[in-house]
Amino acid sequence: GAVVSQHPSWVICKSGTSVKIECRSLDFQATTMFWYRQFPKQSLMLMATSNEGSKATYEQGVEKDKFLINHASLTLSTLTVTSAHPEDSSFYICSARSGESYEQYFGPGTRLTVT
Amino acid sequence: KNEVEQSPQNLTAQEGEFITINCSYSVGISALHWLQQHPGGGIVSLFMLSSGKKKHGRLIATINIQEKHSSLHITASHPRDSAVYICAARPRSQGNLIFGKGTKLSVKP
Repeated sequence: GAVVSQHPSWVICKSGTSVKIECRSLDFQATTMFWYRQFPKQSLMLMATSNEGSKATYEQGVEKDKFLINHASLTLSTLTVTSAHPEDSSFYICSARSGESYEQYFGPGTRLTVT
Repeated sequence: KNEVEQSPQNLTAQEGEFITINCSYSVGISALHWLQQHPGGGIVSLFMLSSGKKKHGRLIATINIQEKHSSLHITASHPRDSAVYICAARPRSQGNLIFGKGTKLSVKP
């Protein structure tokens, strides 16, 4: 099946710094990418949807200036957590879809810890 | 009430047992996904269904569109099947998945 990778798999950063997480589709063109956040023992929460070449659509309650999403190519989307705070510590997962396909492929996730 | 409900929330089984996890949804859907999340966190897509039944190895997924219900079955369960299983529905009206809260499965040797 199609593969989606994320980098880094885990990151620890100090409060106030910014962290960039990459999501890549390795063997298909991802016209749409999704970014999710998952807190412990909870389900995935959609943060934003991005289509290649256009601005991301953010879910209600997600600050677009804090969580910067760039989907500049058909194989790469990035999520930058700006001025990170300890409450941003979470598991961030991306997924990707090609065209109008219903199939959605998930990345392995990035665990962010802000100290 | 969640638009996607899973049951049970937690399930403990002995190795070799037949396992069923249920998912009910309240919206019209274009597809339903079953996902597996291991303790490390990574998510694997097991099945995507829009009708009928699919089988992959010891895993079987079924869906009844009229009853808005899907089941995931695991035959001859094994400790390595221990994970959280998540049902996610794709509504006809939008592209984003709606996730159930997951079923935590623990298979004891």
